[in-house]
Amino acid sequence: AQSVTQLGSHVSVSEGALVLLRCNYSSSVPPYLFWYVQYPNQGLQLLLKYTSAATLVKGINGFEAEFKKSETSFHLTKPSAHMSDAAEYFCAVSERYTGGFKTIFGAGTRLFVKA
Amino acid sequence: EAGVAQSPRYKIIEKRQSVAFWCNPISGHATLYWYQQILGQGPKLLIQFQNNGVVDDSQLPKDRFSAERLKGVDSTLKIQPAKLEDSAVYLCASRLGGVGNSPLHFGNGTRLTVT
Repeated sequence: AQSVTQLGSHVSVSEGALVLLRCNYSSSVPPYLFWYVQYPNQGLQLLLKYTSAATLVKGINGFEAEFKKSETSFHLTKPSAHMSDAAEYFCAVSERYTGGFKTIFGAGTRLFVKA
Repeated sequence: EAGVAQSPRYKIIEKRQSVAFWCNPISGHATLYWYQQILGQGPKLLIQFQNNGVVDDSQLPKDRFSAERLKGVDSTLKIQPAKLEDSAVYLCASRLGGVGNSPLHFGNGTRLTVT
């Protein structure tokens, strides 16, 4: 079974600084990878997804992620943090199994943005 | 398009009581998931439906949890009897078909507190 590891349960940056949230996955085959964002008292929303078309994936709100097969990583970045980016971010991998596909989530990283 | 609808938003019960959650997925989405999200953790898959059939319930504590999806649309998740450790947010998600690169669409969740 695949697994997803997010390094750092909490990340704090200043407004305007670079955001880097780390994600590593375990997979023996090319995976489908996703980043989701969760704001307080809401469900998860899709930020971006990797589907093998390009290694650098652009998402909403200025976020992007780069797929590196050699490092089995899919780190999320944003050049300049905004206060509204404060939320919890989840990396996820979609895994094929007998019944179809299921999505496995990392433990999440909470992003704090300081003024 | 209308999103995934869940109710209630909040529920407080005493241990050993029963509780039910309801989910209405996005119209046309064949695959429906129930996830449990304990505070500080990523969502954990409880059960997956493809139309009205169960394709994965390996992580569902079947001695106390049950779920059904009548007519392949709405779904209900029930806990009977509840335990303190069931306190969590229960998220419903749906996906268009069984394609691995299609993202999950989440509802806002039901926050359950068991006292």
